[in-house]
Amino acid sequence: DTGVSQDPRHKITKRGQNVTFRCDPISEHNRLYWYRQTLGQGPEFLTYFQNEAQLEKSRLLSDRFSAERPKGSFSTLEIQRTEQGDSAMYLCASSLDPGTRSSPLHFGNGTRLTVT
Amino acid sequence: SQQGEEDPQALSIQEGENATMNCSYKTSINNLQWYRQNSGRGLVHLILIRSNEREKHSGRLRVTLDTSKKSSSLLITASRAADTASYFCATPPRGAGGTSYGKLTFGQGTILTVHP
Repeated sequence: DTGVSQDPRHKITKRGQNVTFRCDPISEHNRLYWYRQTLGQGPEFLTYFQNEAQLEKSRLLSDRFSAERPKGSFSTLEIQRTEQGDSAMYLCASSLDPGTRSSPLHFGNGTRLTVT
Repeated sequence: SQQGEEDPQALSIQEGENATMNCSYKTSINNLQWYRQNSGRGLVHLILIRSNEREKHSGRLRVTLDTSKKSSSLLITASRAADTASYFCATPPRGAGGTSYGKLTFGQGTILTVHP
């Protein structure tokens, strides 16, 4: 399978614990994005990388959230001191560098986080 | 905040019928994209229409764009049970150049149910 891979698919954690999610993008894609989706809503942009550089972060990404893409390949999203409001589906997507034209996003199947 | 608002929120039809979903947006756009999401899965890119285009086709999909009304529609002809999914419109920020083309703002989606 050469699509975007996310791990784990589901994570249940207790409030206050730290969690880390992993995303493996399509290998030739140098753009990687993180989105969050709550029930009944569309995805909301969190952050994105061009290779290993994190180019933009949404205001939704509080200081408890950190994302890395150390070698420009896979990425991790860590949430520290989780809160119940962090419960959501965390989606990763990748794309080619669009240059001056849009390049469609390829999404993984997401990690569903439940904070109890 | 959501840029696009889909209408209707839910649509239930019989197999073979056509399904039309509408999307309205607030600010001017470079392009508008439609994505499909099966329950519990990631999003799949369906079609992209640029601001200078009025209509685009892809298989059983037809997308129109009316920039004067800031609206778009997605028509699925001869629907099948496998078309059952949520459908989202999404737009990148205008004028941001290639660097932010993947930073999409999604609507809340239309839930389409096609009964066999």
